[in-house]
Amino acid sequence: AQKITQTQPGMFVQEKEAVTLDCTYDTSDPSYGLFWYKQPSSGEMIFLIYQGSYDQQNATEGRYSLNFQKARKSANLVISASQLGDSAMYFCAMRGNQGGKLIFGQGTELSVKP
Amino acid sequence: GAVVSQHPSWVICKSGTSVKIECRSLDFQATTMFWYRQFPKQSLMLMATSNEGSKATYEQGVEKDKFLINHASLTLSTLTVTSAHPEDSSFYICSARLSSGRNEQFFGPGTRLTVL
Repeated sequence: AQKITQTQPGMFVQEKEAVTLDCTYDTSDPSYGLFWYKQPSSGEMIFLIYQGSYDQQNATEGRYSLNFQKARKSANLVISASQLGDSAMYFCAMRGNQGGKLIFGQGTELSVKP
Repeated sequence: GAVVSQHPSWVICKSGTSVKIECRSLDFQATTMFWYRQFPKQSLMLMATSNEGSKATYEQGVEKDKFLINHASLTLSTLTVTSAHPEDSSFYICSARLSSGRNEQFFGPGTRLTVL
């Protein structure tokens, strides 16, 4: 069975500082993908970044980077230079070989302080 | 990125009525769509996988007779909540994946259902 765990219900960060949101996973699939989504109060799910299990390098997308440690089964999201607009719920998700469905973690509510 | 739309964005209905939610992929074809529900301050829980031209695959614990899914075309999947009750009040979100070989998965804006 697949499982995604986010252990930080809430996080605070000062504007312009970097923040790391934790995500660990468990799967028996040899090939899988890891995703991070942002969900503002409006409810829409915004795709941030993707990491494939066989990717050699950590994924980066602008201010977002994914710290992928395969042996530890962790896929932490790093947001650099936080902005007030980054305040939102952040979800880590995994897709294995089970029909392409995404399984989500519990989410982390990030609050950026001015 | 690809666009997925949902209609309606919100709906209020009386207990016992049925509500249909549409999910459309606007600029791509989606052979597979996914339906999630989300309670306040909680994560997205997968309800079912909708496959074009075939029956949906429901997750364990999801009543297939209550949540009817029809994926009639490559751009449209519908979720019908039958005989809705207050406990069905939730945020329903659909998702579609681009063709196999692509990693992206895009979500609709969600539908907020309130059952009185």
